[in-house]
Amino acid sequence: AQTVTQSQPEMSVQEAETVTLSCTYDTSESDYYLFWYKQPPSRQMILVIRQEAYKQQNATENRFSVNFQKAAKSFSLKISDSQLGDAAMYFCAYNGYGAGNNRKLIWGLGTSLAVNP
Amino acid sequence: GAVVSQHPSWVICKSGTSVKIECRSLDFQATTMFWYRQFPKQSLMLMATSNEGSKATYEQGVEKDKFLINHASLTLSTLTVTSAHPEDSSFYICSARIQGAPGGYTFGSGTRLTVV
Repeated sequence: AQTVTQSQPEMSVQEAETVTLSCTYDTSESDYYLFWYKQPPSRQMILVIRQEAYKQQNATENRFSVNFQKAAKSFSLKISDSQLGDAAMYFCAYNGYGAGNNRKLIWGLGTSLAVNP
Repeated sequence: GAVVSQHPSWVICKSGTSVKIECRSLDFQATTMFWYRQFPKQSLMLMATSNEGSKATYEQGVEKDKFLINHASLTLSTLTVTSAHPEDSSFYICSARIQGAPGGYTFGSGTRLTVV
């Protein structure tokens, strides 16, 4: 079975600084997706970034980028130029290819990020 | 695009009563809907997966008779918490797989249920 591990329950960063959130996963599959979701105080789940495992290039979305190390099964999220609005819970999630629409997301426990002014 | 509208956003009910939570896909057909429960500062716990026109598949430990899930159409899935008790108080979130978007999911805004 697949697992996702986020070893940092809480993190903090100064506004305008850079922070990296860690995520490791375990799978025997070769093709899969990895996600970072943000859940702000409103509790609306927001997709931050997505990575397809077959792509060697790390995904980037504006100030958010990932360091995807497939062999090491590591998928960290880097937030550059942190803003107050980045304060939220961040969840790492895994989803395999195929098996139709019933394929469920496997979630990490989350990292609570605080941004200090 | 690919919006799931979840209602109500919050509800307070008395012990012993039932509460229905609705999730509607507004601009796409949600063949599959996932229902989650989330406790404060914790991760999402999958309760069940529902497919349009068929019975939901419940995760181990989730009471089928307490959490009734109906997915009668491609745009509507409902979760009914029957005979609610204070321990059912939680945050419930629905999520749909986005067809045509590999690995894509969209989430409802959640329902905060308080049972008094």
